[in-house]
Amino acid sequence: TQLLEQSPQFLSIQEGENLTVYCNSSSVFSSLQWYRQEPGEGPVLLVTVVTGGEVKKLKRLTFQFGDARKDSSLHITAAQPGDTGLYLCAGVPSGTYKYIFGTGTRLKVLA
Amino acid sequence: NAGVTQTPKFQVLKTGQSMTLQCAQDMNHNSMYWYRQDPGMGLRLIYYSASEGTTDKGEVPNGYNVSRLNKREFSLRLESAAPSQTSVYFCASSYHRGNNEKLFFGSGTQLSVL
Repeated sequence: TQLLEQSPQFLSIQEGENLTVYCNSSSVFSSLQWYRQEPGEGPVLLVTVVTGGEVKKLKRLTFQFGDARKDSSLHITAAQPGDTGLYLCAGVPSGTYKYIFGTGTRLKVLA
Repeated sequence: NAGVTQTPKFQVLKTGQSMTLQCAQDMNHNSMYWYRQDPGMGLRLIYYSASEGTTDKGEVPNGYNVSRLNKREFSLRLESAAPSQTSVYFCASSYHRGNNEKLFFGSGTQLSVL
C-alpha cells in the first residue's frame, strides 16, 4: 500500500506552459518534502513544507501544503526544459520515523 | 565533499547469489537509509538506521539484511538474490531521524538478477 499517491504519473508539455503535480494521502504528515531526481542520480531536496496551508516559492516553483496536512501540490509556471525530471514527494507519517516517498511524477518539457 | 558514496554502481547477479551493497557518508549524519526504486513506485524504504547501533525495518525488508558498521557506513546484503530484487538501490543519510530532515542520497546501484 502506497501511503503517498502522486498524479499525474507522466506529464509531457511544451516550454512555457504551466503545470501542477499533486501528492495525496489519507494519513496526516507533520511535514512534506519535494525532491527532484535526474537520470543516473539520487533525488535532491527542493523544499519542505511544515504548516498546514503553507505556501513556499522557489523561483518558478510554488509548493503548497494542504490545510489538513494530508496533501501537497507543486505548481510550475512557464516550464523550461531544465525542469525535466522525476518529482517525488516525501514525508514521515505521524508516529513514525520512517521517510516514505510518493509514486513519482515524470515530467518532460519540450523545447 | 563526497557526501554519500555507494558501491558498486552496477551489478549483475545470478539467482541465488549473494552480495553486499556498500554505503558511506562523510557528513557526520546519525541516520541512514536504504531504498529501492522501481518504475511507477517511487522509492520504497527497505531498512533504516536511526543512529549507530540501531536498525529497523521499512516497507519492503524481506530478502534483505543490513549492518550499521559504524556511524559512517551502512551496508545492505542480499543473501540469496531473486529476480524480484532487480532494481535501483539508493542509500541516503540525514543528520537526525524524524521529519523536517533533509535526506542526502547517493547516486545509486543498478542491480540486475538473472
